[in-house]
Amino acid sequence: GAVVSQHPSRVICKSGTSVKIECRSLDFQATTMFWYRQFPKQSLMLMATSNEGSKATYEQGVEKDKFLINHASLTLSTLTVTSAHPEDSSFYICSARLSGQGGPSKGGYTFGSGTRLTVV
Amino acid sequence: QKEVEQNSGPLSVPEGAIASLNCTYSDRGSQSFFWYRQYSGKSPELIMSIYSNGDKEDGRFTAQLNKASQYVSLLIRDSQPSDSATYLCAAATSGTYKYIFGTGTRLKVLA
Repeated sequence: GAVVSQHPSRVICKSGTSVKIECRSLDFQATTMFWYRQFPKQSLMLMATSNEGSKATYEQGVEKDKFLINHASLTLSTLTVTSAHPEDSSFYICSARLSGQGGPSKGGYTFGSGTRLTVV
Repeated sequence: QKEVEQNSGPLSVPEGAIASLNCTYSDRGSQSFFWYRQYSGKSPELIMSIYSNGDKEDGRFTAQLNKASQYVSLLIRDSQPSDSATYLCAAATSGTYKYIFGTGTRLKVLA
């Protein structure tokens, strides 16, 4: 089946530095990539939606200058957490919609394995 | 604000019993519903999807949807310790391609 490869799985960085998270769709084209954040014992919160070749759409309350999303190709989307602070420590997960698949009603989404970010 | 609500649990059931997980949603425009299982530190994996009122069965899992009551449930028959995880309910409105997730119910199956 469709697989989304997400790297790194864990990263520890110093406060003030930037961290890049990559999601690659293997063997399929991801028209749309969703980026979620999950704090401990909380649900997945959608941060932004990115479509290949266009600017990402951010959810209310998510700073677009802090969370830079690039979806330059149909197989790669990246999330860069800029000037990270301890409060950005969280579990970040991407989810891809397959090109040609329907929306949620078709169940055509595949999740990456997640990235545990710890900012010290 | 569109919301999906779940009891956080933990819900503890003995091995072999039926586990019943419930979810309510606020947006009447939601048309697609999903149950995901998430092990600690891992990303969610899809268990069931349901779009029409009634029951949908897949192996040991049965999803139930009642749009009038805005209620979705997941039954797990013959629960196994390996079923111990957090179960996330998600709702989506047709055309938006966005999921709204509940906070999840932690299930513990006791051996």
